[in-house]
Amino acid sequence: GNSVTQMEGPVTLSEEAFLTINCTYTATGYPSLFWYVQYPGEGLQLLLKATKADDKGSNKGFEATYRKETTSFHLEKGSVQVSDSAVYFCALSVSGNQFYFGTGTSLTVIP
Amino acid sequence: GAVVSQHPSRVICKSGTSVKIECRSLDFQATTMFWYRQFPKQSLMLMATSNEGSKATYEQGVEKDKFLINHASLTLSTLTVTSAHPEDSSFYICSASRSPVLNTEAFFGQGTRLTVV
Repeated sequence: GNSVTQMEGPVTLSEEAFLTINCTYTATGYPSLFWYVQYPGEGLQLLLKATKADDKGSNKGFEATYRKETTSFHLEKGSVQVSDSAVYFCALSVSGNQFYFGTGTSLTVIP
Repeated sequence: GAVVSQHPSRVICKSGTSVKIECRSLDFQATTMFWYRQFPKQSLMLMATSNEGSKATYEQGVEKDKFLINHASLTLSTLTVTSAHPEDSSFYICSASRSPVLNTEAFFGQGTRLTVV
């Protein structure tokens, strides 16, 4: 079946620290992979995506590389800011635009 | 870019009443929309797939008679929580994608925080 396993939080970092949030997946077929971000009180926003193996998605300083050999799509950022505090969801989609989400990782960045 | 609008963003209702949540795709047609439910500190769980002009497809364990879905047009899907109870209190969120492209970005509504008292 299709599923996403995501690093549990919460994660607390100091400003300018390096961020890694691990995400692995299982999927039937050839999935596209996504990271969504949810700021407090808001809906989900697409952060980045990758549609095939070895693709790298990037946005706002965040990056994630689609690794088929390790079935992973880890999210990284070299220097986090207070404004990055949010919940991050790893997700995959195989067909029909149905998404499978990880449990979410709450990130708090302190000044 | 594509925008999905969900309304209302917050609603408080009395136990036993019904609540309707709307999900609109503002600048594209969506033959399929999805309804998710998010419990505190948990991920989004797919409730049902809303298909324009036909019956919705519900995930296992979701009561179709309690969560009524109507997808009457290519830009509007509604979720009605009937005879709401406190355990229905949750964050409900819809999504839609441009059709017929597969594996494309899903656009999410802002979500609806339902509190049943």
